Amino acid sequence: DAGITQSPRHKVTETGTPVTLRCHQTENHRYMYWYRQDPGHGLRLIHYSYGVKDTDKGEVSDGYSVSRSKTEDFLLTLESATSSQTSVYFCAISDGGNQPQHFGDGTRLSIL
Amino acid sequence: GQQLNQSPQSMFIQEGEDVSMNCTSSSIFNTWLWYKQDPGEGPVLLIALYKAGELTSNGRLTAQFGITRKDSFLNISASIPSDVGIYFCAGQNSNYQLIWGAGTKLIIKP
Repeated sequence: DAGITQSPRHKVTETGTPVTLRCHQTENHRYMYWYRQDPGHGLRLIHYSYGVKDTDKGEVSDGYSVSRSKTEDFLLTLESATSSQTSVYFCAISDGGNQPQHFGDGTRLSIL
Repeated sequence: GQQLNQSPQSMFIQEGEDVSMNCTSSSIFNTWLWYKQDPGEGPVLLIALYKAGELTSNGRLTAQFGITRKDSFLNISASIPSDVGIYFCAGQNSNYQLIWGAGTKLIIKP
């Protein structure tokens, strides 16, 4: 397994509360990504990072923010969670260019 | 935006059968990737393809990068029970972003 740890693995929270998901890597890869996975949609990119403090938006970034203060950690924050953000969230890492992305085991987030 | 059409959506097969699935797009991709996802886990890379026309094998798996750069297929020979799962294709565009298919769910008939 690529050295990727996502935490928490499961979370249930209420609408309107802030939520932060963490991705930690031990591979020293430059690029890190956050995806969400919903039935029938495959994976959709939320945000990605190409270095410490360097981030950019993906396809479905509305309602999400990210931060990367260290190479090994990439945080995804839902400032005020909504039920439409109930999903499985995956972190991925890569060395950039055309190098493949490798994935963590996901965080299942339920917003009631 | 760019989209990938992955088919079939699901497959019921007998153990020992060969399996074929494919992805097509109206857009050109520079890299094609095939992943497998088991329940409760993240996608795991099976095969990466980097050149048009490239044919690559990984054990019983074989994948090809279409000559037009708009499609790819994955074949699994002599399926076994542990092949069950969801298979995803992903194309990497010129911005190095991945565009994902919706997945092919492989189910083995008892």
